[in-house]
Amino acid sequence: AQRVTQPEKLLSVFKGAPVELKCNYSYSGSPELFWYVQYSRQRLQLLLRHISRESIKGFTADLNKGETSFHLKKPFAQEEDSAMYYCALGTYNTDKLIFGTGTRLQVFP
Amino acid sequence: KAGVTQTPRYLIKTRGQQVTLSCSPISGHRSVSWYQQTPGQGLQFLFEYFSETQRNKGNFPGRFSGRQFSNSRSEMNVSTLELGDSALYLCASSLRGTSGENTQYFGPGTRLTVL
Repeated sequence: AQRVTQPEKLLSVFKGAPVELKCNYSYSGSPELFWYVQYSRQRLQLLLRHISRESIKGFTADLNKGETSFHLKKPFAQEEDSAMYYCALGTYNTDKLIFGTGTRLQVFP
Repeated sequence: KAGVTQTPRYLIKTRGQQVTLSCSPISGHRSVSWYQQTPGQGLQFLFEYFSETQRNKGNFPGRFSGRQFSNSRSEMNVSTLELGDSALYLCASSLRGTSGENTQYFGPGTRLTVL
């Protein structure tokens, strides 16, 4: 079965602290992994995709097929990073996304 | 380019009624997907359309249906509304099928309340 697990509903850190939002997936095929972010009163938007291997707004995520994980990391959190973060699993040649339940990141000043 | 648009933004219906939601994808995008977002179940995939054909369907009852038009605009319909259908319905579009690019761009959603 295809599944995405985000174990933390809420993650609270102070500005400047490192952040790691966990994501584990279950999929028998070759996965496509994404991180989406939803800032307050804004629409859901793509933050990262694993095939791009890029850093966006200081965030990075590495796909670990052995541990079936795609954790999102940032070395120094900023207040503007406060948002809802969703990990999503895509399947080959379709647009169907399976989302995790999301983690709310709160960054305090 | 204009983003994905959804109409209406808010809708209030009563149990037993039916509702039609509309989605206009980004110009040039031919793939449209729909998701239901609720506090209890989170984001759940409803369907995916490409070139007027449904390519994928989520685990929802037959009361939920959709279609896509030749201009890539899409509609979804929910018949015989139930209280549990109250949710934010999100539409997303992508270029997939033309270049393989599958980044999905989401609309603002339609907030459906069933009384």
